[in-house]
Amino acid sequence: NAGVTQTPKFQVLKTGQSMTLQCAQDMNHEYMSWYRQDPGMGLRLIHYSVGAGITDQGEVPNGYNVSRSTTEDFPLRLLSAAPSQTSVYFCASSSLQGVAQTQYFGPGTRLLVL
Amino acid sequence: GQQVMQIPQYQHVQEGEDFTTYCNSSTTLSNIQWYKQRPGGHPVFLIQLVKSGEVKKQKRLTFQFGEAKKNSSLHITATQTTDVGTYFCAAYNNNDMRFGAGTRLTVKP
Repeated sequence: NAGVTQTPKFQVLKTGQSMTLQCAQDMNHEYMSWYRQDPGMGLRLIHYSVGAGITDQGEVPNGYNVSRSTTEDFPLRLLSAAPSQTSVYFCASSSLQGVAQTQYFGPGTRLLVL
Repeated sequence: GQQVMQIPQYQHVQEGEDFTTYCNSSTTLSNIQWYKQRPGGHPVFLIQLVKSGEVKKQKRLTFQFGEAKKNSSLHITATQTTDVGTYFCAAYNNNDMRFGAGTRLTVKP
């Protein structure tokens, strides 16, 4: 299993540009989520999904869109990039079965918005 | 939504010393998870606590969940250089997961 994969690893955008961060998992997990990580602020939940066709907002959803057309993929779209969106973005997945809902994180995408 | 507070923000220890990080919530938690993130890496799941007063051990790591399920701690005995990284607590609330700000541990050989 590849686990959780993310592309690209690094990206530089200009203010106002749009882009999609890709995330895929091959563990048949129902739950997928996107976080951003900024220095001193831990990880903040952007959006999450509990299954194909179902998405919901997390703590910091503004400026981001998601969709979940398949179990495997959960792309994150930046509609009009702003410097405040400079961050490291992590995708994670977990099974909703059982007691321990271990989250598996991807390697991250480092985004710089100029 | 719930807030998860974590202290201290930084901890620098001499190799062999103990280390503890604390996590507190303003609301009762259904469970709490702990993660470790190495510098430049991604968070890796360590453990989940569910029961009031629960204590779990993983080698030199001891995890506790408070009786009121509002606080938790991670204690590392006799730190090693391999323990370097940032330790996060995290809690679910109806599929919305909130992370503490993390405690960054550095270990001097």
